[in-house]
Amino acid sequence: QKEVEQNSGPLSVPEGAIASLNCTYSDRGSQSFFWYRQYSGKSPELIMFIYSNGDKEDGRFTAQLNKASQYVSLLIRDSQPSDSATYLCAVNMRGFGNEKLTFGTGTRLTIIP
Amino acid sequence: IAGITQAPTSQILAAGRRMTLRCTQDMRHNAMYWYRQDLGLGLRLIHYSNTAGTTGKGEVPDGYSVSRANTDDFPLTLASAVPSQTSVYFCASSGNINSPLHFGNGTRLTVT
Repeated sequence: QKEVEQNSGPLSVPEGAIASLNCTYSDRGSQSFFWYRQYSGKSPELIMFIYSNGDKEDGRFTAQLNKASQYVSLLIRDSQPSDSATYLCAVNMRGFGNEKLTFGTGTRLTIIP
Repeated sequence: IAGITQAPTSQILAAGRRMTLRCTQDMRHNAMYWYRQDLGLGLRLIHYSNTAGTTGKGEVPDGYSVSRANTDDFPLTLASAVPSQTSVYFCASSGNINSPLHFGNGTRLTVT
């Protein structure tokens, strides 16, 4: 089992709808969770991070963390064509720094106008 | 504009040649990292440095070396390039070892 798993997609969502991206992780000791967006040919850029169970909202983006079920998700409301990108989930283990940050392989999201 | 500068943007390199990828940040971040990104494998850590003067090995360090003489610079050297090192290389930094990463624009390296 991979340490961090994401559905590779592609995930196609109509413009204006909610896009839901999911990530599961294997290490129960994980404590820090990050979502990065990567446009084709570009570098990853941080979208959100979450440390505590529950929801964290930032504009159209909501991160949801459930440590008991070992998943973290990213919801994008009112999806726009500019949201079309690959979304990377990254998970860090308790007690370790970024040297143990593990990335998923990413989910490719396409917003259909 | 504050951020991370990587050079070169792209390079074609003959196998066996030595190559240094440059990375400079002006955010005064303590920690810096080198990743490679390959299709289907995601981002994998090559080497890291939690603070100037220290370095550590990541998941895929073989064939690569780094140095961290000061806060701003973190060059990655391929001593003798091999075709399997063909990849996109990203340098990243973070304020401390637990804070989010900021990435440079990447270097696309092709080893022939």
